[in-house]
Amino acid sequence: EEQLVESGGGLVQPGGSLRLSCAASGISFSSYWMTWVRQAPGKGLEWVASMNQDGSEKQYVDSVKGRFTISRDNAKNTLYLQMNALRGDDTAVYYCARIVGGSHYWLDPWGQGTLVTVSP
Amino acid sequence: DIQMTQSPSSLSASVGDRVTITCRASQSISTYLNWYQLKLGKAPKLLIYTASSLQSGVPSRFSGSGSGTDFTLTINNLQPEDFAAYYCQQSYSTPRTFGQGTRVEIK
Repeated sequence: EEQLVESGGGLVQPGGSLRLSCAASGISFSSYWMTWVRQAPGKGLEWVASMNQDGSEKQYVDSVKGRFTISRDNAKNTLYLQMNALRGDDTAVYYCARIVGGSHYWLDPWGQGTLVTVSP
Repeated sequence: DIQMTQSPSSLSASVGDRVTITCRASQSISTYLNWYQLKLGKAPKLLIYTASSLQSGVPSRFSGSGSGTDFTLTINNLQPEDFAAYYCQQSYSTPRTFGQGTRVEIK
């Protein structure tokens, strides 16, 4: 079964750091681009970051550039999102997903998400 | 950035109804449009990719259409498990933006 499981979310103060993990199973992890998407409370989905198979290409939404870093460990089938200088508007459920379909891609499967709350 | 506008933002429907959700792009995106279903506490689910291709395992009551700037997700014979939020996403250019979502509620 293809599965992605996020972990690492929690409560953090503004300016703090957190590292999210996404453990993959059943999806040939090292062969695919991967991505993080988030959903703030009461809001829609927002693409956050993506990276290619070997980490040589990384893309970020403007609002997290310089603060978030996406990375992966193909030996551990795990995707990461290092989040620094966190702000209140980073509060969201963070999902990881596999990128499928080439340059005009779609996302499948997704994980169930991990909640990040940034608050004093 | 390409803006994606969904309508309606929410709707109420009954089991057995036909439901139509619209997604409009701020510029032409060819057929690079995907649809996802979100339920609270569950992993989001891909329903439709490239505007009209049904993802494997998704019931045939779901269908997608459109090209250019205007797209539609249709759910025929609405089932109890279909009450959820639905999001479109353009995959034409980065950032891959989403619509604001449509919540389908029980009437």
